[in-house]
Amino acid sequence: GDSVTQMEGPVTLSEEAFLTINCTYTATGYPSLFWYVQYPGEGLQLLLKATKADDKGSNKGFEATYRKETTSFHLEKGSVQVSDSAVYFCALSNTGNQFYFGTGTSLTVIP
Amino acid sequence: NAGVTQTPKFRVLKTGQSMTLLCAQDMNHEYMYWYRQDPGMGLRLIHYSVGEGTTAKGEVPDGYNVSRLKKQNFLLGLESAAPSQTSVYFCASSYKRTGGGYGYTFGSGTRLTVV
Repeated sequence: GDSVTQMEGPVTLSEEAFLTINCTYTATGYPSLFWYVQYPGEGLQLLLKATKADDKGSNKGFEATYRKETTSFHLEKGSVQVSDSAVYFCALSNTGNQFYFGTGTSLTVIP
Repeated sequence: NAGVTQTPKFRVLKTGQSMTLLCAQDMNHEYMYWYRQDPGMGLRLIHYSVGEGTTAKGEVPDGYNVSRLKKQNFLLGLESAAPSQTSVYFCASSYKRTGGGYGYTFGSGTRLTVV
């Protein structure tokens, strides 16, 4: 079945450091891929998405490229800020009626 | 602001008590979902609905019931709460099938503790 695997955390970085959170997936066909972000005490918010191979999703300085050959959708940001501290979820959707979420990666950015 | 509203935000139940969580959306979305979030396990789908009057089981439906009598509302019921149901519950909605690349809109969650 469809599934998502993302790197375990927690991840702690200094402000302005480079961020990578790895995400790989297993799916038949051509799923859409997403990154969601959850700030403390809040629900999940869509951060970015890509709907076909080689697409790059981007938002708020974050980027992720849909790589079908490596079944990956790694999240990157060149210079993190304290306000980026949150939990990040990789997810996919396919022909069914639901998303498949990774277990989440907690990021803490220290000044 | 438009979106998904969950009530209540917090609740403490005793084992065996019942309660209903309410999810309301004002975006005219067809699809609605209930998830639970537990540490180290991500989000797991409990039940979902593809339209008014319809419901279907997700990954972890046991111990829960749902109803979608109106398009804008999706209710999650616990008939006899158990400590294993201590979790954070999220409701989500979407306009179209998720396979079309449309994302979910999530509510802010309900933190439930069963003692």
